[in-house]
Amino acid sequence: DAGVIQSPRHEVTEMGQEVTLRCKPISGHNSLFWYRQTMMRGLELLIYFNNNVPIDDSGMPEDRFSAKMPNASFSTLKIQPSEPRDSAVYFCASRGLAGGSTGELFFGEGSRLTVL
Amino acid sequence: LAKTTQPISMDSYEGQEVNITCSHNNIATNDYITWYQQFPSQGPRFIIQGYKTKVTNEVASLFIPADRKSSTLSLPRVSLSDTAVYYCLVGAPLYSSASKIIFGSGTRLSIRP
Repeated sequence: DAGVIQSPRHEVTEMGQEVTLRCKPISGHNSLFWYRQTMMRGLELLIYFNNNVPIDDSGMPEDRFSAKMPNASFSTLKIQPSEPRDSAVYFCASRGLAGGSTGELFFGEGSRLTVL
Repeated sequence: LAKTTQPISMDSYEGQEVNITCSHNNIATNDYITWYQQFPSQGPRFIIQGYKTKVTNEVASLFIPADRKSSTLSLPRVSLSDTAVYYCLVGAPLYSSASKIIFGSGTRLSIRP
């Protein structure tokens, strides 16, 4: 299996622009998590989905952030408009809760966002 | 969610055994203890999970005393490649869909030659 796939790996944009981060979870996994990591704030949970349904989005910093999971194999995290303080590494992680899955989180390699 | 406290950083040398202790005084009866490891420029990865006593796998051992208010991750004979941040998490077991998986600050482990 290819693991959790995130794109883009790096993005540099200007303040005010829309940013869309993408995630493809491991096939068969039914939970998906979005995290943001910075030196100051560590690894923060933004939102997570079970079976494509958002369960808890209390970590989403403000209305500029939105996340969707239209199907079991794809999720997006959108920031509109972006601000310099959104600069961070954004991680997507998935896990399986059915069948032979172990339930542990598998992380992607992250998307490093820089907002100028 | 039970709060966890672990050292901010630790240093050790190659070949030594490293023990990282995590305090979780408010752990609930149903809570499990899980450890993740994060290498630079990568996402965290699962190391080990336990409920009580001792759990061992090919990577580490996890020691949990009877009162479960703390736990110790033990890494035998570390190498330079064990330099990473180690996170202690307390919450629902891996197989539970109720998990809101929160990471704390972690312990930054540096291994020297």
